[in-house]
Amino acid sequence: LAKTTQPISMDSYEGQEVNITCSHNNIATNDYITWYQQFPSQGPRFIIQGYKTKVTNEVASLFIPADRKSSTLSLPRVSLSDTAVYYCLVATNSGYSTLTFGKGTMLLVSP
Amino acid sequence: NAGVTQTPKFQVLKTGQSMTLQCAQDMNHEYMSWYRQDPGMGLRLIHYSVGAGITDQGEVPNGYNVSRSTTEDFPLRLLSAAPSQTSVYFCASRTDRRSVEQYFGPGTRLTVT
Repeated sequence: LAKTTQPISMDSYEGQEVNITCSHNNIATNDYITWYQQFPSQGPRFIIQGYKTKVTNEVASLFIPADRKSSTLSLPRVSLSDTAVYYCLVATNSGYSTLTFGKGTMLLVSP
Repeated sequence: NAGVTQTPKFQVLKTGQSMTLQCAQDMNHEYMSWYRQDPGMGLRLIHYSVGAGITDQGEVPNGYNVSRSTTEDFPLRLLSAAPSQTSVYFCASRTDRRSVEQYFGPGTRLTVT
């Protein structure tokens, strides 16, 4: 499984766009990039997944460059309720994946 | 759908006691797993199951047992509780082992004294 590296914490203010970058230098051809969000005292929640280029849903956008060695989760116009831990995962869909969670990025949004 | 449910929400055990954390899902998911989360840490995989009757160890299986007799249920047993097992335990499920969209339960906060 590809190892992921992401910042331990980030700070932002309400209304700003937040970009969280994750590096996964040894990502394999069959690997997908997946992001989860975890609010305090809750289980993680799936946000978005992608393989290459750009994926957008109602929650976030995921940007993946051509070499796929990194990815960026973009949260537009964050609010206080976006304060959470964000996990970047690399998982394969060619066999089975146990979904390894690192320590994630703690995003704190202030007024 | 209730999704993934876990009971109890909170539990306090004395060292050496045993107990079972319950987990159930009503989405007909093949794949279920148990994680533990300690303060400042990510989630660590304890055990997982790719279908009824099939279980396997994750990253930190020692001190825990699981079984999967039905698709819906995946209980986690603590054989002899130790203070090092104080943690928050999350159960999760997903459609099958290829899916990356995993659904988590609300967690069980366990304290071992």
